[in-house]
Amino acid sequence: EVQLVESGGGVVQPGGSLRLSCAASGFTFSSYWMTWVRQAPGKGLEWVANIKPDGSEKYYVDSVKGRFTISRDNAKNSLYLQMNSVRAEDTAVFYCGRRILWFGENYFDYWGQGNLVTVSS
Amino acid sequence: DIQMTQSPSSVSASVGDTVTITCRASQGISDYLAWYQQKPGKAPKLLIYAASSLQSGVPSRFSGSGSGTDFTLTISSLQPEDFATYYCQQATSFPLTFGGGTKVQIK
Repeated sequence: EVQLVESGGGVVQPGGSLRLSCAASGFTFSSYWMTWVRQAPGKGLEWVANIKPDGSEKYYVDSVKGRFTISRDNAKNSLYLQMNSVRAEDTAVFYCGRRILWFGENYFDYWGQGNLVTVSS
Repeated sequence: DIQMTQSPSSVSASVGDTVTITCRASQGISDYLAWYQQKPGKAPKLLIYAASSLQSGVPSRFSGSGSGTDFTLTISSLQPEDFATYYCQQATSFPLTFGGGTKVQIK
């Protein structure tokens, strides 16, 4: 069974840092593109970042470029999102997701349960 | 960036009704479009990919159509478990973008 389990969320002060983790199981993690998507309270979905299976390509939404870093450890079947210089507008539930393998386009077929990050002093 | 515009933002319907949601892309995206269902407090669930392909395990009352800039999600014979928020997403160009969502509510 495919599972994605997120951890690492919580309350962080503006300007602070936090690292989200996503532990994958039930599939060959090293073969899949992975993603982070977030949802501010009461708002819609916003794509944050994608990473290639070998970690050699990464893509970000403009609002997090230079502040967030997506990474992965295929030996540990884990995906990460390092969040630096966080702002109040980064407050959201963050979801990790898996991209469908057989398409070159970005369709996400499995998701984690979501992890709340609250930026507040 | 490609903007995705969904309409309506909300719709009230009864069990057994047919509901149609539209999604318009600000530029042509061929058929590189997905539809997701999200219930409160839950992760999104992939319903449709490549504009019209039904994801495994999704009931056949869900269907998608369209190409280029205009797309449609149709839910035939609405069931109680279908009351949720639906999002479209363009899948071809970074940054990936979602529509604003359509909330399907009970009439």
